[in-house]
Amino acid sequence: QTVVTQEPSFSVSPGGTVTLTCGLSYGSVSTSHHPGWYQQTPGQAPRTLIYSTNTRSSGVPDRFSGSILGNKAALTITGAQADDESDYYCALYVHNGIYVFGTGTRVTVL
Amino acid sequence: EVQLVESGGGLVQPGGSLRLSCAASGFTLSSYWMSWVRQAPGKGPEWLANIRQDGGDEYYADSVRGRFTISRDNAKNSMYLQMSSLRAEDTAMYYCAPQSYTQFHFWGLGTLVTVSS
Repeated sequence: QTVVTQEPSFSVSPGGTVTLTCGLSYGSVSTSHHPGWYQQTPGQAPRTLIYSTNTRSSGVPDRFSGSILGNKAALTITGAQADDESDYYCALYVHNGIYVFGTGTRVTVL
Repeated sequence: EVQLVESGGGLVQPGGSLRLSCAASGFTLSSYWMSWVRQAPGKGPEWLANIRQDGGDEYYADSVRGRFTISRDNAKNSMYLQMSSLRAEDTAMYYCAPQSYTQFHFWGLGTLVTVSS
């Protein structure tokens, strides 16, 4: 069974920078996995921030950026703001038309 | 205005069946692969299935393959998820979304499925 792993939580100061990562249980993440990143606040549906590694969805501020760092996908928030406090999930295309979401990271801004 | 409205959720007993619907407005559903994603209480999203624009190809997560069937009716601008052999662990909010690889273009409000005796 494929597991996509993320850090459980991160804390960042307002204006600070934080990098979340997204790993694969059986190997390295690459652009062929089309990493996506999603933001979710309580009671709301997820919102797509980044897709296909580093493409920002329409309306997403440029303080959010996606990349591959080493063997993982990464989401970097530069200049964190209070309303960035959310749960963040990644998703990967793993094989044979199948996608898997990650375990999620709770980001606290304080 | 672009809108997705999921419906058909409710309380069902273990082993039972349910059919979810996803009605699209403000955009042409036939232009997109469409997907179902669910989220159990307190858990992260789980991708379940998707279906090609013409309905000719579909894929499923291991957790639902053989129990759930995705379908679409482009003439009605709608998509469906037929769920059978339901288990307690299928309890979740179910969302539909147009999907292009890992881009879920937008989401509905979801429909809640509760599997309990």
